[in-house]
Amino acid sequence: DVKVTQSSRYLVKRTGEKVFLECVQDMDHENMFWYRQDPGLGLRLIYFSYDVKMKEKGDIPEGYSVSREKKERFSLILESASTNQTSMYLCASSFQTNIQYFGAGTRLSVL
Amino acid sequence: GNSVTQMEGPVTLSEEAFLTINCTYTATGYPSLFWYVQYPGEGLQLLLKATKADDKGSNKGFEATYRKETTSFHLEKGSVQVSDSAVYFCALSFFNKFYFGSGTKLNVKP
Repeated sequence: DVKVTQSSRYLVKRTGEKVFLECVQDMDHENMFWYRQDPGLGLRLIYFSYDVKMKEKGDIPEGYSVSREKKERFSLILESASTNQTSMYLCASSFQTNIQYFGAGTRLSVL
Repeated sequence: GNSVTQMEGPVTLSEEAFLTINCTYTATGYPSLFWYVQYPGEGLQLLLKATKADDKGSNKGFEATYRKETTSFHLEKGSVQVSDSAVYFCALSFFNKFYFGSGTKLNVKP
C-alpha cells in the first residue's frame, strides 16, 4: 500500500518560531509537493520537488522554504512563523502515473 | 492559465438521493482530470480520474465524464449513503502540476 507519512497531526507554535514539517513517502516517488488548505480556498501549492536537492516555488512560497536531501523525505520550513500561517498543511507525492498520494495532514496553529 | 471551479457547498442530501457536484475547468492544453475525496480528519484520496476527452472515470458508484466541449467533469452518484459524507475536490493535472478546486462539502442525512 502507498504511504505518505506526515510527522505530526497537530502542532502549536508561537509567533517567530522556526517550524519544521516533515513528510516521508515509501513509494520511491520522484515528485513531492507541499500544499496548504484553507476554508473556501481549497489547496494551494507552496513548493514542489521533482528530484533530490531540487525545488521549485508553487503559487504561495512567501514565508516558506523546503529541503529535499533524500528522495523519500521532503521538509517544509517556516523560518519565522506568523499567525497567518495557521492552516492545514498537506504533503503529497507522485510518480509517472500522475496520481498524487496524500498524507493525513498537519494542522498548525501559530499563536 | 489553468484553473478549476466547482460548486460551492455544503450540499445536504438524504440517503439514497441522486448526487451531482459540478466542476468546470480552464486549461491551456489537454489536462488529466481527477476527483479526490477527503473524509473528516484525513488527507485526500483519489476517487476517480479521466485522462482524455469522453473518458468516464468511475469508482465506488461515483462517476464523471471528461467533456471537452463544455470543459466539465461533473461528479455523479445515483444513490448516496451516509458514509459518503466528505469534502470532494475536483482537480486537473497538466505537466505534472496539479490545480485543485475549492472543495464541496457533502452531508448525507439518514
